Amino acid sequence: AQSVTQLGSHVSVSEGALVLLRCNYSSSVPPYLFWYVQYPNQGLQLLLKYTSAATLVKGINGFEAEFKKSETSFHLTKPSAHMSDAAEYFCAVSDNTGNQFYFGTGTSLTVIP
Amino acid sequence: GAGVSQSPSNKVTEKGKDVELRCDPISGHTALYWYRQSLGQGLEFLIYFQGNSAPDKSGLPSDRFSAERTGGSVSTLTIQRTQQEDSAVYLCASSLGALGQETQYFGPGTRLLVL
Repeated sequence: AQSVTQLGSHVSVSEGALVLLRCNYSSSVPPYLFWYVQYPNQGLQLLLKYTSAATLVKGINGFEAEFKKSETSFHLTKPSAHMSDAAEYFCAVSDNTGNQFYFGTGTSLTVIP
Repeated sequence: GAGVSQSPSNKVTEKGKDVELRCDPISGHTALYWYRQSLGQGLEFLIYFQGNSAPDKSGLPSDRFSAERTGGSVSTLTIQRTQQEDSAVYLCASSLGALGQETQYFGPGTRLLVL
């Protein structure tokens, strides 16, 4: 069985500050992990994904995430927040069958000017 | 090329009516997924199609929900005898293949309101 937990449904950061969005997963097999972003009034789009290659994954718009097996985590970070980063962020996990994706409940990021 | 499209973008219906939601995946994508996004909740997996194989219906919340995919392309999600708790955004996604590492490409969603 697989599941994803996103700690913090709402996160606020000041413009220029570090962004840290937390994601912990549960999986009985080596997982594939994803971060998707949903900007206001737009559809979900892939931010980055981990597919068992490098544990530090770089995505679009300066975001990156590190797969830590010992901590079962895949936290999303960005060194300096920009106003345009305000969005809903979803962490997701799947296995190698592709049958199901499990999404977290999402974290709404607010960037304060 | 064109992305995933969904229609209608918004649907208001009365309790007890049936509704049909349509999804056009990206051309060449063999896998298609339906999700439901309710206010304050994450994405709830509903159903998955891979090519012409029988769909994985394990996520459908009740027997009022059904989906089909014709010719391995367009998909229709049908909700019979709608209830107010069915109000949500219904998202469709497609991916090139069925492997778990494939990126899913999402449509804009259909916002369903059941009065």
